[in-house]
Amino acid sequence: NAGVTQTPKFRILKIGQSMTLQCTQDMNHNYMYWYRQDPGMGLKLIYYSVGAGITDKGEVPNGYNVSRSTTEDFPLRLELAAPSQTSVYFCASTNKAGARETQYFGPGTRLLVL
Amino acid sequence: AQSVTQLGSHVSVSEGALVLLRCNYSSSVPPYLFWYVQYPNQGLQLLLKYTTGATLVKGINGFEAEFKKSETSFHLTKPSAHMSDAAEYFCAVSRQNTGFQKLVFGTGTRLLVSP
Repeated sequence: NAGVTQTPKFRILKIGQSMTLQCTQDMNHNYMYWYRQDPGMGLKLIYYSVGAGITDKGEVPNGYNVSRSTTEDFPLRLELAAPSQTSVYFCASTNKAGARETQYFGPGTRLLVL
Repeated sequence: AQSVTQLGSHVSVSEGALVLLRCNYSSSVPPYLFWYVQYPNQGLQLLLKYTTGATLVKGINGFEAEFKKSETSFHLTKPSAHMSDAAEYFCAVSRQNTGFQKLVFGTGTRLLVSP
């Protein structure tokens, strides 16, 4: 099992450009999450999905969009990049919704918006 | 609302010394508590978690944590630090929220280990 994989590892964007951060998991997990991690801060939830075709907003969804057409993939879209979106983005997944479940994280995508 | 406070953004220890990373939580319901570790340029991985039962929880790499309800704490310890323990450690509290697991993270503590 590769677990949770993310691409790209690093990207520099100009203000106003768009891009898609890719996330794939091979554990057949139903629940997937996107977080951003800013320096000195904990992870903040951007969007989550409870299964193919079902997504919802987390704590900091503004400026982002997601889709979930398959169980495996959960891409995150930035439409108009802004400097405030400079961050490290992590994708995670769990098999169940329970509060005691372990989340499995990808290695992250470092994004710099200039 | 739930929250997590990690005291100390950086903790420095010598190799072989005791590691103590502090975590206090606030929760209106019985909490599930987690410690995740992030090695350089990697994603987070679970170190240990408390759900129910024994309040002293043992995790990977010799780490353990004790849930103390009266002190609302879940401090992480390791008797003897190793160079490979240098990483960032996140404490988190979770609840099930409208069908998904909501994890609330602390701001993290970077552990520095010197020879």
